[in-house]
Amino acid sequence: NAGVTQTPKFQVLKTGQSMTLQCAQDMNHNSMYWYRQDPGMGLRLIYYSASEGTTDKGEVPNGYNVSRLNKREFSLRLESAAPSQTSVYFCASSKLGVGTEAFFGQGTRLTVV
Amino acid sequence: SQKIEQNSEALNIQEGKTATLTCNYTNYSPAYLQWYRQDPGRGPVFLLLIRENEKEKRKERLKVTFDTTLKQSLFHITASQPADSATYLCAPRTENYGQNFVFGPGTRLSVLP
Repeated sequence: NAGVTQTPKFQVLKTGQSMTLQCAQDMNHNSMYWYRQDPGMGLRLIYYSASEGTTDKGEVPNGYNVSRLNKREFSLRLESAAPSQTSVYFCASSKLGVGTEAFFGQGTRLTVV
Repeated sequence: SQKIEQNSEALNIQEGKTATLTCNYTNYSPAYLQWYRQDPGRGPVFLLLIRENEKEKRKERLKVTFDTTLKQSLFHITASQPADSATYLCAPRTENYGQNFVFGPGTRLSVLP
């Protein structure tokens, strides 16, 4: 059982370049999330999708877009990367409901130079 | 606005001692609270959930308490081992259907041999 799979694991971008971070889960979860984690800042929610067909902004959505392609896949796009977007990005998924737990991917370490 | 605090950014203890980590929250009325463990370079992993009507929950060497009056949860690791060294995150959650996960900043625990 793969769980939550993120690609790529590492990426270096130049300022202004665009890229899409991919996330897929095989647990039939309804809800999916994108976080960024910076030293001293903890996990901050960028966007989430409570169920297929819906997306909502989190705490730090500026500079990002998301697509819930289907129930399994939730992608995060940086249209014009900036050095401030250098971070570790985590995708997570959970069942929809009360008392559920989040399952995380292994993370994508992104550096924007 | 909602705020989650964890007692310190880093905590060092001697092997065999009990580690106690604190999670405080404000402007929240969580129905339950989750604790996660995060190892370097990995995504967080769920450990325990405690509900508002439960004073204490145990799992092997882990014990969690939840005091809704103090707006605080304590996370204890008894007979700590170097393998317990990691960052521990708390996540208070309400009963709102379709809510996202908001995490505290985490406490980095180091168990010294």
